[in-house]
Amino acid sequence: DQQVKQNSPSLSVQEGRISILNCDYTNSMFDYFLWYKKYPAEGPTFLISISSIKDKNEDGRFTVFLNKSAKHLSLHIVPSQPGDSAVYFCAVTNTGNQFYFGTGTSLTVIP
Amino acid sequence: DTEVTQTPKHLVMGMTNKKSLKCEQHMGHRAMYWYKQKAKKPPELMFVYSYEKLSINESVPSRFSPECPNSSLLNLHLHALQPEDSALYLCASSQVTTKLKTQYFGPGTRLLVL
Repeated sequence: DQQVKQNSPSLSVQEGRISILNCDYTNSMFDYFLWYKKYPAEGPTFLISISSIKDKNEDGRFTVFLNKSAKHLSLHIVPSQPGDSAVYFCAVTNTGNQFYFGTGTSLTVIP
Repeated sequence: DTEVTQTPKHLVMGMTNKKSLKCEQHMGHRAMYWYKQKAKKPPELMFVYSYEKLSINESVPSRFSPECPNSSLLNLHLHALQPEDSALYLCASSQVTTKLKTQYFGPGTRLLVL
């Protein structure tokens, strides 16, 4: 049973434009949400996170939005750069030690 | 410092070999994880250690044997693996006691079973 879904397996964006990656989760008990970036054959790198008490968190070019009622989070990257091309995973967790990962979205930023 | 290190970076082994993967972190994290990741798939949880004790085993075959000798180290012992076990093996760590905890990953060990 997939607890976390990323419905877009791939996304292409022109350099300088905004990239929007989406993630949906099923369980309202999740209270902490993370985005990871992954290059091939490397471990995921933590990007940004948000707790359930907030609806927005910003760090430089990266902003994560959380809509608890819709059980939806999104990652905005603006402006997008070619170095942002990677696979992006969202992850969710709660007070336990289990993290649930989405299926990933492959972002390509076209120069 | 948010570094998790893993050795070796690459490993090729036969189906009768015994090998070990190693993971180390010095962030004071008391939860450590092993994941398996196949191409174009999300990381798949294998084991979780909390305070050096195995807390989650996701029905992993016994040919994978985890070990947590101390709070900084995590090993994964491999024996009699199958070719389908070829994958990227990721180690991660996080805090245990705080509610909002971030999981940090190592670079992974790329395993090929022949």
